[in-house]
Amino acid sequence: GENVEQHPSTLSVQEGDSAVIKCTYSDSASNYFPWYKQELGKRPQLIIDIRSNVGEKKDQRIAVTLNKTAKHFSLHITETQPEDSAVYFCAGVTGGGNKLTFGTGTQLKVEL
Amino acid sequence: NAGVTQTPKFQVLKTGQSMTLQCAQDMNHEYMSWYRQDPGMGLRLIHYSVGAGITDQGEVPNGYNVSRSTTEDFPLRLLSAAPSQTSVYFCASSYLGGGYEQYFGPGTRLTVT
Repeated sequence: GENVEQHPSTLSVQEGDSAVIKCTYSDSASNYFPWYKQELGKRPQLIIDIRSNVGEKKDQRIAVTLNKTAKHFSLHITETQPEDSAVYFCAGVTGGGNKLTFGTGTQLKVEL
Repeated sequence: NAGVTQTPKFQVLKTGQSMTLQCAQDMNHEYMSWYRQDPGMGLRLIHYSVGAGITDQGEVPNGYNVSRSTTEDFPLRLLSAAPSQTSVYFCASSYLGGGYEQYFGPGTRLTVT
C-alpha cells in the first residue's frame, strides 16, 4: 500500500518568513495529493490540493509543488502570519479511489 | 446543511465496555470513513464504505466494527474497549472517485481506563 513520509515534524519561523513542508510517497499510482490544516482541538480542513497532471498550484499565500519522478510534493507558505500556526498534514490517494494515506504531520509555529 | 456530525464529543469507557460512535452526513456523499488520530502518528484509516451495504477494512481495523445501512450514517462500534483504543476519532465523507475533498466531522475524544 501507499506510504507517505512528512518532514519536518516541527517547524518554527518568524512572522513574515516562508515555511516549507515536504512529503514523499511510495506508490507511483497515487494521483491526488491534498494538504490539511488542523488547529488545536479542531477537525482537519483542506487548504489546497494537487493532481498528478499538474506540477504546481497556488492559492494566495500557499502553494503546492509536485515532482512525480522523484515522488515528492511540498507545501509552501509565504508571508507567514500567527494564524498559520497549526499542524499540517499531507496525504496521498492512489488510483481513482478515496482512501487517504496521511503523513505524520508538521507542527508549524509562527513567532512574532 | 450540517455537513459531517459526530456524537459524542467526549467519552470515557472502562476496559471491556462497548460503545458506538455515531457519524452522519447530509451531503449525499457515497464515501464515508473513520480515522483515529494519535500523537506523532497522523490519521490512520480504520474502516471505510463506498456506499450503503458496502464496507471494507483500512489500515487499523482490529477491535472495530462498522455498518452502512443508509447513505447518511456510518457508525463505528467498539465491542470490547481496550486502553490502546484511547484516541481521537474522526469521521469523514466525500463524493466517490479520486480527487474529491473529504470533509471531516468534529471528532470524538475517547479515553479507555
